[in-house]
Amino acid sequence: GDSVTQMEGPVTLSEEAFLTINCTYTATGYPSLFWYVQYPGEGLQLLLKATKADDKGSNKGFEATYRKETTSFHLEKGSVQVSDSAVYFCALREETSYDKVIFGPGTSLSVIP
Amino acid sequence: NAGVTQTPKFQVLKTGQSMTLQCAQDMNHNSMYWYRQDPGMGLRLIYYSASEGTTDKGEVPNGYNVSRLNKREFSLRLESAAPSQTSVYFCASRPRAASGREVRETQYFGPGTRLLVL
Repeated sequence: GDSVTQMEGPVTLSEEAFLTINCTYTATGYPSLFWYVQYPGEGLQLLLKATKADDKGSNKGFEATYRKETTSFHLEKGSVQVSDSAVYFCALREETSYDKVIFGPGTSLSVIP
Repeated sequence: NAGVTQTPKFQVLKTGQSMTLQCAQDMNHNSMYWYRQDPGMGLRLIYYSASEGTTDKGEVPNGYNVSRLNKREFSLRLESAAPSQTSVYFCASRPRAASGREVRETQYFGPGTRLLVL
């Protein structure tokens, strides 16, 4: 079945460092891909999305590009801030299912001043 | 708008007890979902409801039942709680897909219910 794999955490970075969180997926067809963020004590929020190959999603300085050839959707940010400390989830929606979204295990990010 | 609200925020149960987790949304969304979140496993779909009056099983439905009471409310019931159901439960909603090629992807999540089963 379809699945999402993320890099193991936790990740600890200093403020202004470059961030990459790797995400790869297994799916048939052309899924839609997402990054969600969960701040401490809160529910998940959509951070960015891409619905077709080579699309780049971006929001709040974060970017991710839908790479069909490598089945990847890596999250990047050029300069992280303390306020970016959260858990980040990569997810996909199967092409043939409107309602079923499959989430990765999440990667915890801590940014220290 | 309050968005997606969940009650209670936290609950402790003994094995075998029953309880209902409540979820409501005021965004007039058609689809609603229940997930559980466990360390290292991300979110797993328990049940979902594509529209009022319909419900479908997700990835991990065993031990749970749901009711889509009306368009706003979607409840999750544990008839006989087990320690394996200790988790954080999230409710989410999503609007109906638009016609044509546009798909409204974003799910809106509630703040979660932390459940501990002893």
